[in-house]
Amino acid sequence: EVQLVESGGGSVQPGGSLRLSCAASGFTFSSYEMNWVRQAPGKGLEWVSYISSSGYTIYYADSVKGRFTISRDNTKNSLYLLMNSLRAEDTAVYYCARDSPGDWGQGTLVTVSS
Amino acid sequence: SYVLTQAPSVSVAPGKTARITCGGNNIGSKSVHWYQQKPGQAPVLVIYYNSDRPSGIPERFSGSNSGNTATLTISRVEAGDEADYYCQLWDASSDHPWVFGGGTKLTVL
Repeated sequence: EVQLVESGGGSVQPGGSLRLSCAASGFTFSSYEMNWVRQAPGKGLEWVSYISSSGYTIYYADSVKGRFTISRDNTKNSLYLLMNSLRAEDTAVYYCARDSPGDWGQGTLVTVSS
Repeated sequence: SYVLTQAPSVSVAPGKTARITCGGNNIGSKSVHWYQQKPGQAPVLVIYYNSDRPSGIPERFSGSNSGNTATLTISRVEAGDEADYYCQLWDASSDHPWVFGGGTKLTVL
């Protein structure tokens, strides 16, 4: 069974940083592309970032480009999202998702507030 | 980047059929997935690759995709179907590969 478990969310002040992690199990992590998706309170789903299976190809949404960094460690079956220069509008539940329909984690809440 | 358009809300009486649409330029040439999300919960896949249904999803849920519109159809709507529904596709030609529609709130009257 595919399992994706996010961690690292919490409250942070504007301008601060946070690192999210996603622990993957139940499949060969190194063979799959991965994504981060977020959902602000009361809003729709927003794709945030993509990383290829090898980690060599990376894409970002315009709203986070230059501030967020996606990475992965295939030896640890883990996906990461380093979020710098956080803004109030980054407040959201962040989901880790395998590049296969329906395989998402339960999400971790990030709150950016002074 | 590619844009998907959904109506903000759809209302339907119990037992009737709900149709939720997702518009996009030549969307019929792409594979569309549909997610159901209830308050406080993570999205759940209800239709993938236009018309396939994951195990555990009732047969009342079906999907189609042609031309500029993909459609999620829910037959014999139940109160428990009340939720937000999102369409999503993978745009292989883009550096923004995952695209979501804005979501449709289904209200069961």
